[in-house]
Amino acid sequence: NAGVTQTPKFRVLKTGQSMTLLCAQDMNHEYMYWYRQDPGMGLRLIHYSVGEGTTAKGEVPDGYNVSRLKKQNFLLGLESAAPSQTSVYFCASSYFIRRTGGHQETQYFGPGTRLLVL
Amino acid sequence: SQKIEQNSEALNIQEGKTATLTCNYTNYSPAYLQWYRQDPGRGPVFLLLIRENEKEKRKERLKVTFDTTLKQSLFHITASQPADSATYLCALGEAGNMLTFGGGTRLMVKP
Repeated sequence: NAGVTQTPKFRVLKTGQSMTLLCAQDMNHEYMYWYRQDPGMGLRLIHYSVGEGTTAKGEVPDGYNVSRLKKQNFLLGLESAAPSQTSVYFCASSYFIRRTGGHQETQYFGPGTRLLVL
Repeated sequence: SQKIEQNSEALNIQEGKTATLTCNYTNYSPAYLQWYRQDPGRGPVFLLLIRENEKEKRKERLKVTFDTTLKQSLFHITASQPADSATYLCALGEAGNMLTFGGGTRLMVKP
């Protein structure tokens, strides 16, 4: 099993350009997430998905869009990149554990995508 | 929303000693708390999960405690090795909500 994979590994964009980051998982997980990680800020949730065809906003969704057309894939789009979006982006996935209150548990992360916006 | 505090300064210890990392949180206690390890240039990797009704959890040389009165979790690595050098993240989970991650503490184990 490859686990969680991300493409590309590194990208340089000019301000105003667009791009799509691809995340794929082969663990049949229901939940998928996109985070960004900046020095001293920790991991911040951008968007997440609780199943195929569904998406929701996280803590820092502005400037990003997502789609989950297939269960195994979760795409993160930047329509008009800004220097403030320079960051390392991580995708993660998890099972949905049907307990009381129902919450996901262990998250499996991809290797990350380093994005530089000039 | 929850605020999570992890020591942003690196923790430097000698090989063989016990490393202790701290995770403090504000507001209400989470349903569970997780610890992840992150190596440079890589994604976080899950280590341990402890629930609100558990005081302590162990896995090999790792031990996690959860004190809901102090609103604190401690992460211990006994008999530390240089290979344990990494950044360690704590994350709080609440029923129906997503995980909230701390900023992480970098651990350096010197031989």
